Amino acid sequence: EIVLTQSPGTLSLSPGERATLSCRASESVSNSYLTWYQQKPGQAPRLLIYASSRRAAGLPDRFSGSGSGTEFTLTISRLEPEDFAVYFCQLYGYSHTFGQGTKLDIK
Amino acid sequence: QVQLHESGPGLVKPSETLSLTCTVSGGSFASYYWNWIRQTPGQGLEWIGYIHYGETSYNPSLRGRVTISVDASENQLSLKVSSVTAADTAVYYCARYQRDHYYYYGLDVWGQGTSVTVSS
Repeated sequence: EIVLTQSPGTLSLSPGERATLSCRASESVSNSYLTWYQQKPGQAPRLLIYASSRRAAGLPDRFSGSGSGTEFTLTISRLEPEDFAVYFCQLYGYSHTFGQGTKLDIK
Repeated sequence: QVQLHESGPGLVKPSETLSLTCTVSGGSFASYYWNWIRQTPGQGLEWIGYIHYGETSYNPSLRGRVTISVDASENQLSLKVSSVTAADTAVYYCARYQRDHYYYYGLDVWGQGTSVTVSS
């Protein structure tokens, strides 16, 4: 079973700064199957990115995804107050596994 | 605008069967994969399984205890988890995705989630 490991566990930044979140797969995976979600307290996750780099409908262009093989990155170019949340990566496949999440909080 | 709404008992006794329903409004079941996912503080997000045109697939870690079905006439998706233990305590979500030969398009619509506690 492929394991997704996200880092860092917590990222403390200020509004206006750039956030870089990592998702590492335990073996090489297809770019077409990697997605990113944002979750705020008391809410369901929200789809941000599919196929590693394609933005979901209506997503601001400050969010971008990249990567291939075993290393994938979600970048938020300039943090807005509403971006502070928990972010998960997920892989389509045998058990549709999720990473354990990165908490992005306000410094 | 498709909306999903989970419902069911918030408390289930150990060894009993957890039964949840997801009501789909504003859309149909056609072409989508309909999923159940759960979230615990300790284990994070865990995919439970999906149903797609009657075909089901379940997380191997739960296989044998899970049944997902659809009642299209009622626009409802259901989940049953048998022989529950405290480890099945979680927030349970229903969600949908599409895929084709090229892409997995991600879980684009989710319900708000329903909290289930397993306790005597």
